Amino acid sequence: KAGVTQTPRYLIKTRGQQVTLSCSPISGHRSVSWYQQTPGQGLQFLFEYFSETQRNKGNFPGRFSGRQFSNSRSEMNVSTLELGDSALYLCASSIRTSGTFEQFFGPGTRLTVL
Amino acid sequence: ILNVEQSPQSLHVQEGDSTNFTCSFPSSNFYALHWYRWETAKSPEALFVMTLNGDEKKKGRISATLNTKEGYSYLYIKGSQPEDSATYLCAHPHDTGNQFYFGTGTSLTVIP
Repeated sequence: KAGVTQTPRYLIKTRGQQVTLSCSPISGHRSVSWYQQTPGQGLQFLFEYFSETQRNKGNFPGRFSGRQFSNSRSEMNVSTLELGDSALYLCASSIRTSGTFEQFFGPGTRLTVL
Repeated sequence: ILNVEQSPQSLHVQEGDSTNFTCSFPSSNFYALHWYRWETAKSPEALFVMTLNGDEKKKGRISATLNTKEGYSYLYIKGSQPEDSATYLCAHPHDTGNQFYFGTGTSLTVIP
């Protein structure tokens, strides 16, 4: 079974631009979550999509948005980029198991904002 | 927001040493505790999912225990090898859903 894929792997943008990142989950997984990691911080939860609906949202400004398509692929968008948005963005697809969710992570997209 | 803490932040051990590190989480409203291993330039990889107080899980030389009443989990590595070098993360879900709170991780370096 193919794993979670994310594109692009690396991205360089300038302040004020917008960016779209893509995530393709493991086949059959309907839940996709997005996380941000900045230096010194743990993975910070951005949002989760299930069957094209946003089910949970973390504490991030409205510049961060996402969507999920009928094939479960998900995109996240960041508008009006700021220097502080430079980070590794990970997505994870999930299945429910033993009363919790087991998450499978992609390799991440490294975003640099200049 | 759920506070998940890990200690130590980093650890350097000699090959063959055994080591352990800690994940602390609020003991109220426990749902599950997840451990991940994250090697440089790779994706975080799930190690264990622990759901019951007193759970002990083992995978090769790595094992984990869980104490939900006092809010901690230990990860043990027996006879560390250089390939064990990675960041070890723990995570606790917000509720029964799929929103996870991660600790900042313990970075382990095993010196040959």
